[in-house]
Amino acid sequence: DTGVSQNPRHKITKRGQNVTFRCDPISEHNRLYWYRQTLGQGPEFLTYFQNEAQLEKSRLLSDRFSAERPKGSFSTLEIQRTEQGDSAMYLCASSLGRGLAGYEQYFGPGTRLTVT
Amino acid sequence: LAKTTQPISMDSYEGQEVNITCSHNNIATNDYITWYQQFPSQGPRFIIQGYKTKVTNEVASLFIPADRKSSTLSLPRVSLSDTAVYYCLVGDGSGGGADGLTFGKGTHLIIQP
Repeated sequence: DTGVSQNPRHKITKRGQNVTFRCDPISEHNRLYWYRQTLGQGPEFLTYFQNEAQLEKSRLLSDRFSAERPKGSFSTLEIQRTEQGDSAMYLCASSLGRGLAGYEQYFGPGTRLTVT
Repeated sequence: LAKTTQPISMDSYEGQEVNITCSHNNIATNDYITWYQQFPSQGPRFIIQGYKTKVTNEVASLFIPADRKSSTLSLPRVSLSDTAVYYCLVGDGSGGGADGLTFGKGTHLIIQP
């Protein structure tokens, strides 16, 4: 396994269109996270899964955003009716949940979304 | 909500030791301290994690005083390739609550020849 992969790496779309991104985590990792990052800012948490269960969503995640992890493996993040403010790098990370052991997350290369 | 404060930027030179300090005055008993490194157009990369005293790996050392209200990431003999943004995170790893997943703006470390 070579790490977390994300597809596509780049996506240009017109305002109002829907887009879907895919994340393939490290195979034995049970936790999967989605973040959004804009220029000059740190990654901003969007949501996370433990296996197939979506356990938390950020208040920043509008109802235009939806994420799934149907079989506890890969995950998809869909943005409906994209807006220019959605332009950002979307990062996926996975980890092996170890309770009190803290966060050691492995990140993918990200999908850069540009909404025109 | 455990919050961290780091310098926005730091400069150093090749071959020097660099220390980046993070303040986390409201750290909870179960919280760990984790540092990540990020290069432009890449996802963050885990560097080191600790709970108390000192932790060392092949990349860095992490110093945590007894009160745990701050921590210092130490990079020995930096090179140009260490130019990156460094993030300090505090959380208990339970997965519940987004506080441990707050990266902040990080410290932009610039290494000069």
